[in-house]
This record gives sequence, C-alpha cells and structure tokens, in this order.
Amino acid sequence: DQQVKQNSPSLSVQEGRISILNCDYTNSMFDYFLWYKKYPAEGPTFLISISSIKDKNEDGRFTVFLNKSAKHLSLHIVPSQPGDSAVYFCAASALRAGGTSYGKLTFGQGTILTVHP
Amino acid sequence: DTEVTQTPKHLVMGMTNKKSLKCEQHMGHRAMYWYKQKAKKPPELMFVYSYEKLSINESVPSRFSPECPNSSLLNLHLHALQPEDSALYLCASSQDRDNEQFFGPGTRLTVL
Repeated sequence: DQQVKQNSPSLSVQEGRISILNCDYTNSMFDYFLWYKKYPAEGPTFLISISSIKDKNEDGRFTVFLNKSAKHLSLHIVPSQPGDSAVYFCAASALRAGGTSYGKLTFGQGTILTVHP
Repeated sequence: DTEVTQTPKHLVMGMTNKKSLKCEQHMGHRAMYWYKQKAKKPPELMFVYSYEKLSINESVPSRFSPECPNSSLLNLHLHALQPEDSALYLCASSQDRDNEQFFGPGTRLTVL
C-alpha cells in the first residue's frame, strides 16, 4: 500500500518557466512533509519541508504548498534552471503519532524533472 | 562540517563474505539512519538509531547487522548476503528524529 504517491513519473519544462511537482498521501497521521532532490549516483539532497500547521513554505526559488483536506502537496520551482534536472522525491512523517515509527520517512516513487535550456 | 560521509563508495562481495559499511557525521546529530535504494525506486528505511540506541528495525533480515559505536559513527555489518541485496545503501542523520534528514552519497553494493 503506497501511502505517498507521485503520480507523474516525469516532467519536462523549459528553462525559466515554472516546474510544479505533485505528491498525494493517504495516511491522515502524516504531519510533516519534505522534498528531496537526487542526482544519479548521489544521496538525496534535502530541499524544503513543511509542517501541517502551515499551508505554504518558501525558500528562494522553491515553494511547497500543502492542502491538508485534499491530502496533497506540491513543489513549485521558479524559475526552473537546467541544473534542477534530477529526480524529486516527496516524503512524509507522522510526528504527532509518536510510537515506534517516530521519525520514519515514507517516500514517494519520485518524479524525474528535466529542464531544457 | 555539514556532511554525511560514507565508505566505501563501491563494494563487490561474494555471498560468503563478511564486510562492513561505514557512515560518519560531525554535525552533532543524534539520530542516524540506514536506507536501501534499488534502481528507479525510493529509499526504503532499514534502521534508525536515536541517541546511539536502535529505535526502529524495519524487519530487516539478520544478515544485515547495524552498530552505532558512538554518536558520530554508524556501521552496517554484512554477512551471507544474497544477489538481491545488491543496491545503493544510504546513510542519513538528523538533529533529532523530528527534523529533516541529511543523506550521505551512498555505498553501491554488488553481491555476486
């Protein structure tokens, strides 16, 4: 059972335009969400996170939006640059629930972003 | 020092070998993690250490044995692995278990 889903395996965007990566989750206990970027043969790099008490968090060119009622989050990259081309993973954690799974991250399947010059 | 380091970068081992993967961080983080990632798949959590104690074991086979000698070091001891265990093994650390995790570059393991 996939609790975190990224339904678009790939996304292609022109340099300078907006990239929108989407992520849906099913577990209502998730209350902390993160986005990671991964280049081939490297570990994931943390980009940005959001707690469920917020609906938006911004950091430079990256903005994450959270819609709790729809159980949906998105990552906006503006403007997109060729160096942003990578696999993007969203991840979720259930911090309020505590228990033995406290701090466990559940990852989506990833979306391959390609930014064309 | 703001990175997680892992050694070796690549490892090839036979099914009867014993080897170890090493992970180190000097950010003062108190939680450390082992993940396994197969090609075109997301990272899958294996173990979590919090304050040097094992707090999560995701039903990992006993041929994988984690060890946390101190707050900066995390090892993964490997014994009698199977070819299907070939994967990228990632280590991560975080300030505490409720903070963002920072990943190392991984060890590419091939089991022959």
